[in-house]
Amino acid sequence: DVKVTQSSRYLVKRTGEKVFLECVQDMDHENMFWYRQDPGLGLRLIYFSYDVKMKEKGDIPEGYSVSREKKERFSLILESASTNQTSMYLCASRQDRATGELFFGEGSRLTVL
Amino acid sequence: AQSVTQLGSHVSVSEGALVLLRCNYSSSVPPYLFWYVQYPNQGLQLLLKYTSAATLVKGINGFEAEFKKSETSFHLTKPSAHMSDAAEYFCAVSDLNGGFKTIFGAGTRLFVKA
Repeated sequence: DVKVTQSSRYLVKRTGEKVFLECVQDMDHENMFWYRQDPGLGLRLIYFSYDVKMKEKGDIPEGYSVSREKKERFSLILESASTNQTSMYLCASRQDRATGELFFGEGSRLTVL
Repeated sequence: AQSVTQLGSHVSVSEGALVLLRCNYSSSVPPYLFWYVQYPNQGLQLLLKYTSAATLVKGINGFEAEFKKSETSFHLTKPSAHMSDAAEYFCAVSDLNGGFKTIFGAGTRLFVKA
């Protein structure tokens, strides 16, 4: 089975702190994604990566950056956390563009005080 | 640009009743379409997907969905609801023009009454 592991299920940070959310997949997938999930808004795409060292902006990239130095790992970085970034963050991976199906981690719930 | 609209943020059915969750999409080229389910405190898991083969797609747990190009719809159904179906359901689309990004609808929370 594909496993997507997000390093922290729950985090509490203060405004202005730098936050790292880590995601690791164990199936040699090419594509990886970061979404945030908010009630009534569904999942919104923050950043994605089709291959190692590649990254592309999604629909809401402002305030975020990403890093993909190794194929299995995709990190989301909040350079200076703000209260409006309090949310559930979901990482997903996909074998390649043709297969379509995303495999999700369990999510990281971030609260910024 | 791709988009997904799910009609109804909350749907309530009785146990044993038909489940119908509505999804309409916008795509200028043949899309891939998906339904995902999310149980409390978990990530999303795939229920079923349409990738230009048969228009009626069967998924896990007795769910199915029909792709109707003329209506740009991909509604999810299940003949008989079970208490364990209570969850949030997301419709999603990806296509070539969108670079195969997967775009999600806002979600529909399904409640099942005993």
